[in-house]
Amino acid sequence: EVQLLDSGGGLVQPGGSLRLSCSASGFTFSNYAMSWVRQAPGKGLEWVSAIGSGGYNIYYADSVRGRFTVSRDNSKKTLYLQMNSLRAEDTAVYYCARQGIPVSGTRWFDPWGQGTLVTVSS
Amino acid sequence: DIQMTQSPSSVSASVGDRVTITCRASQGISSRLAWYQQKPGKAPKLLIYAAYSLQSGVPSRFSGSGSGTDFTLTISSLQSEDFATYFCQQTDSFALTFGGGTKVEIK
Repeated sequence: EVQLLDSGGGLVQPGGSLRLSCSASGFTFSNYAMSWVRQAPGKGLEWVSAIGSGGYNIYYADSVRGRFTVSRDNSKKTLYLQMNSLRAEDTAVYYCARQGIPVSGTRWFDPWGQGTLVTVSS
Repeated sequence: DIQMTQSPSSVSASVGDRVTITCRASQGISSRLAWYQQKPGKAPKLLIYAAYSLQSGVPSRFSGSGSGTDFTLTISSLQSEDFATYFCQQTDSFALTFGGGTKVEIK
C-alpha cells in the first residue's frame, strides 16, 4: 500500500524552528517529486514547497522562501521540511504529498500524508 | 502566480442531485488542472487530474471538463458520502495554487 506518514509538528514560539518529516512506503520514493502543502485552521489549501526526485529542483512559495528549507533522503525514503523564523501565520496542518507521474513533470498530488499540526504561539 | 477562483463557495443539495462546481484560472493552463475532495479532519483525496482523467478508484459519477481558463467538476447523482469540500488546483506552473474551495452541504 502506498503510504505517507507525516510527523514532527507541535507547539513552537514565534521565531522558533521545527523540522517536519514525511516517511514514505509502498512505492519507489526516489522516482517521485514531492511537495509540502499546508492548511490553516478552517482555511483552504496552500502549496508550500516542492523538491524533485533527485533533490535538485526545488521550489518555494513566496510566503516561506528564505525561512523554510525542503530536503529529502532517498536512502531513508524520507522528505523533510526545516522551518525557521516561524510566525503565527505559519500555524497550519502540514501535509506531504507525492507528485504526479515519475519523470513527467506532472504536479497533481496523490497520495497525501495524514498531516501534522504546527502551532506557532507564545 | 496563477489565481484560481472557485464558485460557488458553498452549495446545498440533496441525495440524487446533480452538482456542478466551476473553477477559473487567471491565465490559460491548457488541461493542467486537478480536483480534490476533502472531508473534515482528513487529508485531501485526488478525484480528477489533467482536467478530465478520473483517478483510479473514484466513482464514475464524478467527471471533469474544460481547458484553458474555465473548468467544471460535476457530480452526476450526489451520494451521502459526497458531502465534503472540493478544491481545484492548477498543475501548470510553480507556484502551484488552489481554488478557495466549495463546501457541498446537505439540503
